[in-house]
Amino acid sequence: ETGVTQTPRHLVMGMTNKKSLKCEQHLGHNAMYWYKQSAKKPLELMFVYSLEERVENNSVPSRFSPECPNSSHLFLHLHTLQPEDSALYLCASSRETGTSGTNEQFFGPGTRLTVL
Amino acid sequence: QKEVEQNSGPLSVPEGAIASLNCTYSDRGSQSFFWYRQYSGKSPELIMFIYSNGDKEDGRFTAQLNKASQYVSLLIRDSQPSDSATYLCAEGGGYSTLTFGKGTMLLVSP
Repeated sequence: ETGVTQTPRHLVMGMTNKKSLKCEQHLGHNAMYWYKQSAKKPLELMFVYSLEERVENNSVPSRFSPECPNSSHLFLHLHTLQPEDSALYLCASSRETGTSGTNEQFFGPGTRLTVL
Repeated sequence: QKEVEQNSGPLSVPEGAIASLNCTYSDRGSQSFFWYRQYSGKSPELIMFIYSNGDKEDGRFTAQLNKASQYVSLLIRDSQPSDSATYLCAEGGGYSTLTFGKGTMLLVSP
């Protein structure tokens, strides 16, 4: 496997279900991200992990819970979601050097989530 | 709240023409700018980044940055139908964060 992988690629869940999205990066990067992409809206940054520490939580509802056990893996745990949470969830990774201006992020293929 | 503005398009150009995609940003402190291409149903793919004022060329792509005007553009020379996609502009002004525009849809007709 190369690059950034995500599983599952498609997920349909009811509002009472609990599911998890998985992301794995094979690029040797030290930062990982979750984004939400909805129709006709810009990519929305949800969470950032750098060196396995969460450095940003962009006012995301608590029904989304991230987990980063190591620098290569990132999870997004989902519970009691709403239909408006249906979207494409993208994982990305980058190599952070601690200086601004260097932030090339590489995206995984995404998980298309539908909440019924 | 940082903002990145792009015309949603679609921008239609004939094959072989130059496509010009534009983006403005609100944060004067932004230092790095990125262009991503996203095909329908796919994830964004990084195609160019630029940090300094002026032009940066990579094959058929040229990124232009004007920090005084807070303006970034992407030129695609000799446009091909395979260039038809949504182009996302992003600025990286802080550690580990990017702010994206909504994207401009480009349609290249044969």
